[in-house]
Amino acid sequence: DAGVIQSPRHEVTEMGQEVTLRCKPISGHDYLFWYRQTMMRGLELLIYFNNNVPIDDSGMPEDRFSAKMPNASFSTLKIQPSEPRDSAVYFCASSSDRYEQYFGPGTRLTVT
Amino acid sequence: GQSLEQPSEVTAVEGAIVQINCTYQTSGFYGLSWYQQHDGGAPTFLSYNALDGLEETGRFSSFLSRSDSYGYLLLQELQMKDSASYFCAVPSNTDKLIFGTGTRLQVFP
Repeated sequence: DAGVIQSPRHEVTEMGQEVTLRCKPISGHDYLFWYRQTMMRGLELLIYFNNNVPIDDSGMPEDRFSAKMPNASFSTLKIQPSEPRDSAVYFCASSSDRYEQYFGPGTRLTVT
Repeated sequence: GQSLEQPSEVTAVEGAIVQINCTYQTSGFYGLSWYQQHDGGAPTFLSYNALDGLEETGRFSSFLSRSDSYGYLLLQELQMKDSASYFCAVPSNTDKLIFGTGTRLQVFP
């Protein structure tokens, strides 16, 4: 398996623009997680899905953030409109149990 | 609520042994996991302890004491490539992982 795939790897955008991050989990994994990592706040869980259903979105910072999982092999995290404080590395991870998560390489987002 | 505490930074020299501690407070306990993250990379799973005691995997070992709400990651025969951040994490009762703030390990020659 290729592991968790994320795209794009780097994104630079201007404030106010829409940003869409994409993730393909490992085949057969029931769980998909979206994290954000910054120096100041560390690794934060934004939202996670189980069998394509959002279970906990309490970490989504505000209404500008939305996530979808239309099928078992694809998920998106959208920020609209983006702001400079959204600059971070966004990781997608998938798992088949609660102990071991497999992380994608991350998307480094810079909002100017 | 749930929280985990780790030292922010640890330094050591090549060939040495280092221990990274983690104390946790959880409303329910389902085990303790450890992850490694190199600068610019993604977290990768190292180990998981569900029961008390020491689990050994090569140069890395992980220990758990449920009565003390405490665990540690032991790295032996340190190599330069071990320089990274190490996170302890506990699963919640809703299947998400709660991560500690991470310990940055610097290995010097």
